[in-house]
Amino acid sequence: AQSVTQPDIHITVSEGASLELRCNYSYGATPYLFWYVQSPGQGLQLLLKYFSGDTLVQGIKGFEAEFKRSQSSFNLRKPSVHWSDAAEYFCAVVPNTGGFKTIFGAGTRLFVKA
Amino acid sequence: KAGVTQTPRYLIKTRGQQVTLSCSPISGHRSVSWYQQTPGQGLQFLFEYFSETQRNKGNFPGRFSGRQFSNSRSEMNVSTLELGDSALYLCASSTGTSGNYNEQFFGPGTRLTVL
Repeated sequence: AQSVTQPDIHITVSEGASLELRCNYSYGATPYLFWYVQSPGQGLQLLLKYFSGDTLVQGIKGFEAEFKRSQSSFNLRKPSVHWSDAAEYFCAVVPNTGGFKTIFGAGTRLFVKA
Repeated sequence: KAGVTQTPRYLIKTRGQQVTLSCSPISGHRSVSWYQQTPGQGLQFLFEYFSETQRNKGNFPGRFSGRQFSNSRSEMNVSTLELGDSALYLCASSTGTSGNYNEQFFGPGTRLTVL
């Protein structure tokens, strides 16, 4: 069955430190890959997406993610975290066979220490 | 361009009642998807509508239903509410062009509490 795993339920980093959020997926073919961010009481905002091509993708707010086919991973990174980055982050996949059924990971809650 | 709007933002119901949630997509978008978000199950796909037709469906009981109108606005209905239906219900819209994935834009959600 298709699945998305985010192994870290929560992560705490100091402001200015680097960040890496992990995501692994299980799917027969390379699906479309996404990272979303959700602030408290808000909907989801798309940070970045990977469809094909260059395996390092740049997103908004200084985030980037690297697709590694051999590891079925799509980890999210940011070189320097800001206090405003504190939120919940979701990795998601959409099978590239048509349709819009998005499968989300369980999410990683990011806490930022001053 | 206005974003995706959902009404109401908050709702309190009691077990056994039914509820209707509304979603207005971004102007020009023809696809509307619904998701349920709970602490225990996370974000789960409910269904997707395109041009008034249900195109995709998740694994939810028949108590959960939806529809889409000719102006692309969508409603979802939950009948015979259970405590476990308490959740944040998110709506997402996209252009919905067949054959290709189009970015989904999410609304702020409707927080449903079942007592």
